[in-house]
Amino acid sequence: DAKTTQPTSMDCAEGRAANLPCNHSTISGNEYVYWYRQIHSQGPQYIIHGLKNNETNEMASLIITEDRKSSTLILPHATLRDTAVYYCIVNSYGQNFVFGPGTRLSVLP
Amino acid sequence: DAGVIQSPRHEVTEMGQEVTLRCKPISGHNSLFWYRQTMMRGLELLIYFNNNVPIDDSGMPEDRFSAKMPNASFSTLKIQPSEPRDSAVYFCASSSMRETGELFFGEGSRLTVL
Repeated sequence: DAKTTQPTSMDCAEGRAANLPCNHSTISGNEYVYWYRQIHSQGPQYIIHGLKNNETNEMASLIITEDRKSSTLILPHATLRDTAVYYCIVNSYGQNFVFGPGTRLSVLP
Repeated sequence: DAGVIQSPRHEVTEMGQEVTLRCKPISGHNSLFWYRQTMMRGLELLIYFNNNVPIDDSGMPEDRFSAKMPNASFSTLKIQPSEPRDSAVYFCASSSMRETGELFFGEGSRLTVL
């Protein structure tokens, strides 16, 4: 069973920041928050993950609340190519990844 | 790095036929996962292996499905006999659990059973 809750869909204007929320109120101490995205029918693509600290890489930033019960993925300058389904997953190393329905992000011109 | 390689990319077959999907994980990765994706059910985990050993096959829908990993560089997912409801995109993914644990997915095998 997916341990996360995400909005079904979101829109974002091209060039603006896309903020995708995720609730994971039952996360345990050794579980990480992972984000993946799936563009059209391609295989899902890893974006970023974190444990308790905020993380940033060339693709996105991940903001995790202090109580770790929710997080936000930030795409700082969304482009049309960022239109995809975004999955938030909580997982421990060595465990299987369970994908929920995710958030369908539409970046609008 | 070539990434995870799956074959065939597309397969069209008739009901009752045997289907074999193949996967070559990224070299050095010690975990391999098979997922199935449909519009109705989304992305479902079928089975995963650690160090070539099946760890969790609870997602395998029924006895018609079987998966093997004879060595660290090759895995197969077999459906025998196939049925129209098996039509889906089948993804293989690999991971090095010793590192950051993220999955690397192949491009998928789109199966259509007529």
